[in-house]
Amino acid sequence: AQTVTQSQPEMSVQEAETVTLSCTYDTSESDYYLFWYKQPPSRQMILVIRQEAYKQQNATENRFSVNFQKAAKSFSLKISDSQLGDAAMYFCAYRSAFTNAGKSTFGDGTTLTVKP
Amino acid sequence: GAGVSQSPSNKVTEKGKDVELRCDPISGHTALYWYRQSLGQGLEFLIYFQGNSAPDKSGLPSDRFSAERTGGSVSTLTIQRTQQEDSAVYLCASSFRGGGTGAYEQYFGPGTRLTVT
Repeated sequence: AQTVTQSQPEMSVQEAETVTLSCTYDTSESDYYLFWYKQPPSRQMILVIRQEAYKQQNATENRFSVNFQKAAKSFSLKISDSQLGDAAMYFCAYRSAFTNAGKSTFGDGTTLTVKP
Repeated sequence: GAGVSQSPSNKVTEKGKDVELRCDPISGHTALYWYRQSLGQGLEFLIYFQGNSAPDKSGLPSDRFSAERTGGSVSTLTIQRTQQEDSAVYLCASSFRGGGTGAYEQYFGPGTRLTVT
């Protein structure tokens, strides 16, 4: 079974600074998808960024980018020019590309605080 | 278009009572998921529906939990004889399709906060 580990329960960053959230995963599969979701206090989970494992190029979405290290099974999220609205809980998630299960495995989350 | 909706947003029930939680997925989405999130924790997979296929129930914690999806759309998660440890936020998500290739995202509802007293 796949596991996802987020080793940082809490992180803080100064507004306009850069912060990196860590995620590692364990799998024996070669093809899969990785996601970062954001959950603000409203509880509404929204997708931040996604990465296909077969792509070597790291995904970027505006101020959000990932550092995907397939051999190390690492998938960190970098937030540049942090804004107050980035404060939320961030979840890393894994989904297999092979099985028909479709379900995603989530880490325990990292709570990000942005200081003005 | 409308997103995933869930009702009720909050539910307080007494230990031993049954509860039903409802999820309306995005129209056209064939896959529907239920997750449970305990306070400050990650998401625990409960059950997954994909089209007309048999649901993946591998995450249901006990036989007190069941779910159905009628007409490939609305889903109801039922918890019988609720226990205090069932207190959590129950999140529903839908996606355009289920397993296999494609980095499609899951669209989440706002969740139902269940409190068992």
